Amino acid sequence: KAGVTQTPRYLIKTRGQQVTLSCSPISGHRSVSWYQQTPGQGLQFLFEYFSETQRNKGNFPGRFSGRQFSNSRSEMNVSTLELGDSALYLCASSPLGTSAGELFFGEGSRLTVL
Amino acid sequence: SQQGEEDPQALSIQEGENATMNCSYKTSINNLQWYRQNSGRGLVHLILIRSNEREKHSGRLRVTLDTSKKSSSLLITASRAADTASYFCATGYLTGANSKLTFGKGITLSVRP
Repeated sequence: KAGVTQTPRYLIKTRGQQVTLSCSPISGHRSVSWYQQTPGQGLQFLFEYFSETQRNKGNFPGRFSGRQFSNSRSEMNVSTLELGDSALYLCASSPLGTSAGELFFGEGSRLTVL
Repeated sequence: SQQGEEDPQALSIQEGENATMNCSYKTSINNLQWYRQNSGRGLVHLILIRSNEREKHSGRLRVTLDTSKKSSSLLITASRAADTASYFCATGYLTGANSKLTFGKGITLSVRP
């Protein structure tokens, strides 16, 4: 079974630009959650999607948004990038949802904002 | 904050020794999970212990959970250089239709060959 795939793996943007990150979950997994990881704040929960519906959301500004498609693939978008958005963005999938069991993580998308 | 807090922040041991890492949390949980992360990579699930369980084993890993003290410990026995990584505890909450998994800031484990 293929694992969780995140694209792109690395990207560099400048302040004010926007970025879209993609996550393909493990086949059959209906839940996709996103996390932001930085050295200072650690792993911060962004949001969770389950069967195309946003089920939970963390404390991030509205510049951070996401969606999930009918095939469970998910995208997250960050608009009007700030220097502080530089981070490793991790996507995780699971069959039942965040906290119900094991999460399967992708390798992450490392975003650098200049 | 519901975030779990790991202790110590960093741990350095010799290969063959045991490594003990602790996690404390503040509110009631449904489960507690431990994950490992190699530098710059994704997280890998190690073990999950439910709130009604007290101890669980998986290979060289042993996890305990004390809900009265709101704490958990992860023991890695006979450590190897390949165990060098960051370890995170994550606390799972179910609130109605919503669920949340909150991670601590992690413990950096270095195993010296």
